[in-house]
Amino acid sequence: AQRVTQPEKLLSVFKGAPVELKCNYSYSGSPELFWYVQYSRQRLQLLLRHISRESIKGFTADLNKGETSFHLKKPFAQEEDSAMYYCALKGGGNKLTFGTGTQLKVEL
Amino acid sequence: SAVISQKPSRDICQRGTSLTIQCQVDSQVTMMFWYRQQPGQSLTLIATANQGSEATYESGFVIDKFPISRPNLTFSTLTVSNMSPEDSSIYLCSVMSGLFDTGELFFGEGSRLTVL
Repeated sequence: AQRVTQPEKLLSVFKGAPVELKCNYSYSGSPELFWYVQYSRQRLQLLLRHISRESIKGFTADLNKGETSFHLKKPFAQEEDSAMYYCALKGGGNKLTFGTGTQLKVEL
Repeated sequence: SAVISQKPSRDICQRGTSLTIQCQVDSQVTMMFWYRQQPGQSLTLIATANQGSEATYESGFVIDKFPISRPNLTFSTLTVSNMSPEDSSIYLCSVMSGLFDTGELFFGEGSRLTVL
């Protein structure tokens, strides 16, 4: 079975502060990990995937197989980063398993 | 990328009735997925809709409750049958697009159902 855990329902930070959204997973094989984001009144969309090893909107995420984690980080939070963030795992087949999501609120 | 349109965007339904949600994609896709997002919870995969074959349901979801049609490569419907208040949820259609399986899902805006 595959499982994704996001321990924080809500994360509140000040503008300019570092952000770390936690994600842990459980999967016996070699996983593909993703972060999806949903801004207010917009549809859910892909933010980044671990395979690409890219930085999107200043966000990065490193897959740590030893700790089975895929935390999302940004050094300096911006107001426009306020959104709902979902970590997702793709194991065997085409099925994506999502975490429960973390609401990020960036305060001025 | 893929652009997905879902109808209805929201509805209020009476207990015991059924509602069909439509999902239209602007390009041909092999697989379409139906997710449910209950209040305060994560997205849960209901089933994978395959063109030309029966849908594949996830554990806890059955065809009698959530019949799915996939008449062609750009369209699918999900019916929520004999609804109860527990079925109040956002139902999302999604697809994987492109020539290669990148794992990226494109989502519709969702259909918010409230069952009274």
